[in-house]
Amino acid sequence: QAVVTQEPSLTVSPGGTVTLTCGSSTGAVTSGHYPYWIQQKPGQAPRTLFYRATNKHSWTPARFSGSLLGGRAALTLSGAQPEDEADYYCLLSYSNSGVFGGGTKLTVL
Amino acid sequence: EVQLVESGGALVQPGGSLRLSCATSGLTFNSYWMGWVRQAPGKGLEWVASLNPDASEKYFVDSVKDRFAISRDNMKNSLYLRMNSLRAEDTALYYCMTETGYWGQGTLVTVSS
Repeated sequence: QAVVTQEPSLTVSPGGTVTLTCGSSTGAVTSGHYPYWIQQKPGQAPRTLFYRATNKHSWTPARFSGSLLGGRAALTLSGAQPEDEADYYCLLSYSNSGVFGGGTKLTVL
Repeated sequence: EVQLVESGGALVQPGGSLRLSCATSGLTFNSYWMGWVRQAPGKGLEWVASLNPDASEKYFVDSVKDRFAISRDNMKNSLYLRMNSLRAEDTALYYCMTETGYWGQGTLVTVSS
């Protein structure tokens, strides 16, 4: 089974910019992996920010953007807010089965 | 408004069985892949199973193959997960998820004697 890798933790200053990335043990992440970016705050259900790499939901703040960058999926946060502190998970599809990354704990400090 | 509501979670003994349900509304249910994701206490998300719109393709994580079954009723806009031979390591909050990234609030499964 493929392994999906994410940075375990990142810290960003309020108002700052940070990029979270998602890699695959099988090689470059492509649009064919239908990357998802999922945010989860303590005690809450997960919430999808992006699906299929760049498709956002109505609740996705404009300061977040999704992309494919250098063979990885990327989630960029520009202008971090305290409420963005959360765990962020990447989900990749492999022939219609899914594999989550271990998650990135983002601290806004 | 899209809504997903899971139910069926419970405390069950090792070796027991449960059937989880996910009732949906506000989406064209019969057009989408659907899946189950779980989260053990204090752990990350784990994809469990997925099912295509006409239920002809099913995929499972290796740890639940031959024990779990996924199904759907497109007339009732509902997704199901039948879990047999439950183990302590199956203890988790179980979420249903749509292909386009909508989630329910989860239902708790606890496997313990």
